[in-house]
Amino acid sequence: EAGVTQFPSHSVIEKGQTVTLRCDPISGHDNLYWYRRVMGKEIKFLLHFVKESKQDESGMPNNRFLAERTGGTYSTLKVQPAELEDSGVYFCASSQVPEGTQYFGPGTRLLVL
Amino acid sequence: AQTVTQSQPEMSVQEAETVTLSCTYDTSESDYYLFWYKQPPSRQMILVIRQEAYKQQNATENRFSVNFQKAAKSFSLKISDSQLGDAAMYFCAYRSSFYGGSQGNLIFGKGTKLSVKP
Repeated sequence: EAGVTQFPSHSVIEKGQTVTLRCDPISGHDNLYWYRRVMGKEIKFLLHFVKESKQDESGMPNNRFLAERTGGTYSTLKVQPAELEDSGVYFCASSQVPEGTQYFGPGTRLLVL
Repeated sequence: AQTVTQSQPEMSVQEAETVTLSCTYDTSESDYYLFWYKQPPSRQMILVIRQEAYKQQNATENRFSVNFQKAAKSFSLKISDSQLGDAAMYFCAYRSSFYGGSQGNLIFGKGTKLSVKP
């Protein structure tokens, strides 16, 4: 069974540009989470999808971040326009049920110059 | 709000020896879950062990075991017979047990980088 995959693995962009991160959860997992780890700090929750619906987006830092999960399969996280402080590692995780184990993807390392 | 603290940014252990990683947390909830995740270099994070707060018995998974002290809000991870493959970043995480709202998400500590010396 394939695990959670994320694309790209790395992205280097300039301030003001747009970047879109993609996450493919484990097949059949209705719950999809996005997290972010800024250098030297904790991994922070961004948002939680249940199928295509946003269950909780309380961790989204501001309106430059837009997450979608059309069709309830893969999800994208778009940052527009990117700022220097958006640099970090963006993790995606999925679980079958909210109380189930969350399986993580390898992360996308984003560097904004 | 719940918080998780890992006070050891880095730890080192000799191969075949035992090491304990510390984690404390703060919560007003009585029911919750605690986790240890491991992230090897350049690889994805995997679950090492999980503990339900309502269970008094400490969870174990092969060479990995926890010391769960609910009153003290402490959740340490013991790795016995350390192996080179145990070298990784270890994250302690908390999750509420209540479904709905923000309760599905994990709250992480900053992590402890474990080195294993041959």
